[in-house]
Amino acid sequence: NAGVTQTPKFQVLKTGQSMTLQCAQDMNHNSMYWYRQDPGMGLRLIYYSASEGTTDKGEVPNGYNVSRLNKREFSLRLESAAPSQTSVYFCASSEASGAWDTGELFFGEGSRLTVL
Amino acid sequence: SQQGEEDPQALSIQEGENATMNCSYKTSINNLQWYRQNSGRGLVHLILIRSNEREKHSGRLRVTLDTSKKSSSLLITASRAADTASYFCATANQAGTALIFGKGTTLSVSS
Repeated sequence: NAGVTQTPKFQVLKTGQSMTLQCAQDMNHNSMYWYRQDPGMGLRLIYYSASEGTTDKGEVPNGYNVSRLNKREFSLRLESAAPSQTSVYFCASSEASGAWDTGELFFGEGSRLTVL
Repeated sequence: SQQGEEDPQALSIQEGENATMNCSYKTSINNLQWYRQNSGRGLVHLILIRSNEREKHSGRLRVTLDTSKKSSSLLITASRAADTASYFCATANQAGTALIFGKGTTLSVSS
């Protein structure tokens, strides 16, 4: 099993360009998440999806949009990239299907984005 | 804002020594989880301790939870160079629908 797969692994953008980070999981998990990781800041939650067809904002949603395309796939879009969005982005999934059911998260290997 | 905060930020020890890292959190929890991240990799789940548990073991890992102090500790016994990594605690957000992570403790184990 591949687990959680993220593409691309590396990307360089210019300010104002748009791009979509793709994430797919093969574990039939209900919930999927997008985090960003910056030096000294730990991981911060951008958006999450508790089930197919639903998405919710996390701690730092500004500048991002998400789509839960189906149960397997959860994409993160930067409409107009800014240097402040230079970061490592992690997608994760879990079996959780409701509030206070947050169990183990399975992470992808990360997508390293640089915005010039 | 982040729910959990790890302490210390960085820890350097020799192989064979024990490593202890602490996590403090702000609100009531259902469970608390610890994760490990090797350099340049994704996070990997280590252990989950529920709010009604006080201690849990997994191999060389020992986790304690004190809900009255809103704190948890992760002990790694007989550390190895391969334990070099960053360690994060995580608890649920206020809605209970996603995990919020602390800033992590960076552990360096030298041989």
